[in-house]
Amino acid sequence: GAVVSQHPSWVICKSGTSVKIECRSLDFQATTMFWYRQFPKQSLMLMATSNEGSKATYEQGVEKDKFLINHASLTLSTLTVTSAHPEDSSFYICSARNRDRGYGYTFGSGTRLTVV
Amino acid sequence: GNSVTQMEGPVTLSEEAFLTINCTYTATGYPSLFWYVQYPGEGLQLLLKATKADDKGSNKGFEATYRKETTSFHLEKGSVQVSDSAVYFCALLGGTSGSRLTFGEGTQLTVNP
Repeated sequence: GAVVSQHPSWVICKSGTSVKIECRSLDFQATTMFWYRQFPKQSLMLMATSNEGSKATYEQGVEKDKFLINHASLTLSTLTVTSAHPEDSSFYICSARNRDRGYGYTFGSGTRLTVV
Repeated sequence: GNSVTQMEGPVTLSEEAFLTINCTYTATGYPSLFWYVQYPGEGLQLLLKATKADDKGSNKGFEATYRKETTSFHLEKGSVQVSDSAVYFCALLGGTSGSRLTFGEGTQLTVNP
């Protein structure tokens, strides 16, 4: 079936550093990828939508200069948290839309980011 | 705009009990409806879906019927297992949100042996 690989699964970084999270569709081409943030015991908050080869569309209130999204190919999207601060600590999940399977959505396994 | 409302959790049941998690939605047009499950520390997995009114989605003993007249998509299972313990999200696709999924708040289910 459709698989989305997201890594790292967890990362701890120091304040002020940048962290990159990768999301790869392993066996299909993802026309669109979505990045979510999830706080403990809460639902998923959509951060941005990215289409291959074009700039990401950010949701209102999400700082595009802080959360850099690159979707360079049909199988890879990256989220870079720049100059991370403790309040950026969260669970980040990507999702890819599968063009070959009725445009269904497949989610990555998530990345737990802790900024110390 | 679109919205999804789930019954508040957490829900705690004994093994083999009957499960219902309510989900109602607001959307224009004819959205598709989904239930996703999230196990601890993991991403979301599609549990079942329904794309039009009166469709019944089913998987792993779970069922949900797309009821347009009541704008609902309640999740049911006749006999839950400990392994069903997870967070369940109702979601819709379509209407004013285009290609973006709209999620409910999530319902934590704990099944005790």
